[in-house]
Amino acid sequence: KAGVTQTPRYLIKTRGQQVTLSCSPISGHRSVSWYQQTPGQGLQFLFEYFSETQRNKGNFPGRFSGRQFSNSRSEMNVSTLELGDSALYLCASSLGAVTGELFFGEGSRLTVL
Amino acid sequence: GQQLNQSPQSMFIQEGEDVSMNCTSSSIFNTWLWYKQDPGEGPVLLIALYKAGELTSNGRLTAQFGITRKDSFLNISASIPSDVGIYFCAGQLKEYGNKLVFGAGTILRVKS
Repeated sequence: KAGVTQTPRYLIKTRGQQVTLSCSPISGHRSVSWYQQTPGQGLQFLFEYFSETQRNKGNFPGRFSGRQFSNSRSEMNVSTLELGDSALYLCASSLGAVTGELFFGEGSRLTVL
Repeated sequence: GQQLNQSPQSMFIQEGEDVSMNCTSSSIFNTWLWYKQDPGEGPVLLIALYKAGELTSNGRLTAQFGITRKDSFLNISASIPSDVGIYFCAGQLKEYGNKLVFGAGTILRVKS
């Protein structure tokens, strides 16, 4: 069974640009969550989608957005990038709606210059 | 917001030693989970606990969900070199779906 796939794995952007990250969940998983991981703040919840609906959102500015498609694939977008947005962005999928049992991808490492 | 206090922050292990780490919270959770992250990888679920007082094992790993629902511990028995990595505790409240609150992590290193 294929795991969670995230693309791209690495990317470099400059301040002010925008970025779109993609996530393909494990087949059959309808919940997709996004987390930001930084050395200073650790793992921080961004948002969760279930059946194309955003169910929960973390404490991030409106520059961070996401969506989920009918095939459960998800994308997240960060607009007007800031230096502090440099991080590992992790996508996780889950079979159930409330289990907490997340299967993470390897992440997309974003560097903002 | 909710915060988890995970300790120790880091520790050195020697092969064969038992390892213990814990997490505490000021608020209760419905579920406690323990994840491990290796360099260049995403976290991998080790153990999930669903009931207060529950004690669960997964091979050499044992974890417990505290009676107060505000804490959890993870023990690793007879550690081996591949146990090295970062261990995270996480708490979940059912009303927030799959939103997890993570601890800062415990870094396991090998004693040289």
